[in-house]
Amino acid sequence: DTAVSQTPKYLVTQMGNDKSIKCEQNLGHDTMYWYKQDSKKFLKIMFSYNNKELIINETVPNRFSPKSPDKAHLNLHINSLELGDSAVYFCASSPFGLRGETQYFGPGTRLLVL
Amino acid sequence: ELKVEQNPLFLSMQEGKNYTIYCNYSTTSDRLYWYRQDPGKSLESLFVLLSNGAVKQEGRLMASLDTKARLSTLHITAAVHDLSATYFCAVNPEGSNYQLIWGAGTKLIIKP
Repeated sequence: DTAVSQTPKYLVTQMGNDKSIKCEQNLGHDTMYWYKQDSKKFLKIMFSYNNKELIINETVPNRFSPKSPDKAHLNLHINSLELGDSAVYFCASSPFGLRGETQYFGPGTRLLVL
Repeated sequence: ELKVEQNPLFLSMQEGKNYTIYCNYSTTSDRLYWYRQDPGKSLESLFVLLSNGAVKQEGRLMASLDTKARLSTLHITAAVHDLSATYFCAVNPEGSNYQLIWGAGTKLIIKP
């Protein structure tokens, strides 16, 4: 059983397109996150949701819009894709925030914008 | 600005040797996390350190936290090839329950 799953694993698309990445966790966690990992492996948090409520919204272009239909799902929609959006996007979850609890990461979605 | 700095960023070592990765951070925190990432893979939690003086060990890896010095170390004892990976530390700033500030990662290569 996969704890945190993401679809798709790979995404190759043209500049200007709109795409979505889906994330689901079956751990019963309240908090979910989106991270971006660039080509230098640097990790940066983009969004965090707790029980469907947006908690963290870092300085991310408004072309990125998260959506949490329920606490087990957190999707990421990206409009008007740009070359600089190419990266690996990780979804993660934790029981309730970070109160001494670790985050569990999904397998990542490798996005390549041509 | 909140910063988490790892040192070194790249380390190549021989099997059987000992080494330490350092993680310095600029904010007040008593929660620090270590993760491992294999090439092309996801991140795997190694340790969660929750108080000053905390020490945790798993196999050949041992992590410690000194909140007064704002320093965590990840010590590798008698390294083996399977420990080759990128190791990240991440800090949960005091007052924030949802944010982790990440180090840049230390790429560790262990040669047979």
